[in-house]
Amino acid sequence: GDSVTQMEGPVTLSEEAFLTINCTYTATGYPSLFWYVQYPGEGLQLLLKATKADDKGSNKGFEATYRKETTSFHLEKGSVQVSDSAVYFCALSDRGGSQGNLIFGKGTKLSVKP
Amino acid sequence: DADVTQTPRNRITKTGKRIMLECSQTKGHDRMYWYRQDPGLGLQLIYYSFDVKDINKGEISDGYSVSRQAQAKFSLSLESAIPNQTALYFCATEDSAALKQFFGPGTRLTVL
Repeated sequence: GDSVTQMEGPVTLSEEAFLTINCTYTATGYPSLFWYVQYPGEGLQLLLKATKADDKGSNKGFEATYRKETTSFHLEKGSVQVSDSAVYFCALSDRGGSQGNLIFGKGTKLSVKP
Repeated sequence: DADVTQTPRNRITKTGKRIMLECSQTKGHDRMYWYRQDPGLGLQLIYYSFDVKDINKGEISDGYSVSRQAQAKFSLSLESAIPNQTALYFCATEDSAALKQFFGPGTRLTVL
């Protein structure tokens, strides 16, 4: 079945450092890909998405490019801030599959130190 | 006011008790979901509903049931709670055209 694998955390960075969180996927169809973010004590929020190969999703300085050849959707940010500390989830949705829902990775906790 | 609300926010109960978690939304979305979050496991889908008359099991539906009372309301029940159902539970709605899900704040359930 469809699955998402993302790098395990926690990831600890200093403010203004470069961030990469790796995400790869397995899917039988042509999924849409997502990054969701969960701030402490809150529910998940959509950060960005890409719906087809080579699309780049971007929001709040974060970017991720849908790479079909490597089945990847890595999250990047050039200069992180303390306020970016959160848990980041990569997810896919394959509406051609039997379930019209999101399949999530296990999450990567990011801590940014001043 | 929040678009997706969950009640209660925290609940402690005992093994064998029946528990209902409620979710309400003001976004007007047809699609609603219940997820469970455990540390290090991401989110797992329990049940989902594409409209009032459509209920579907997710990957971990055993021990749970749901009721879609109206477009705006989607309740999750634990018929006889057990300790390994201790987790954080999230309700979500979906804007299917935008492929975007909106999550509630979560209910932290502890089963003793």
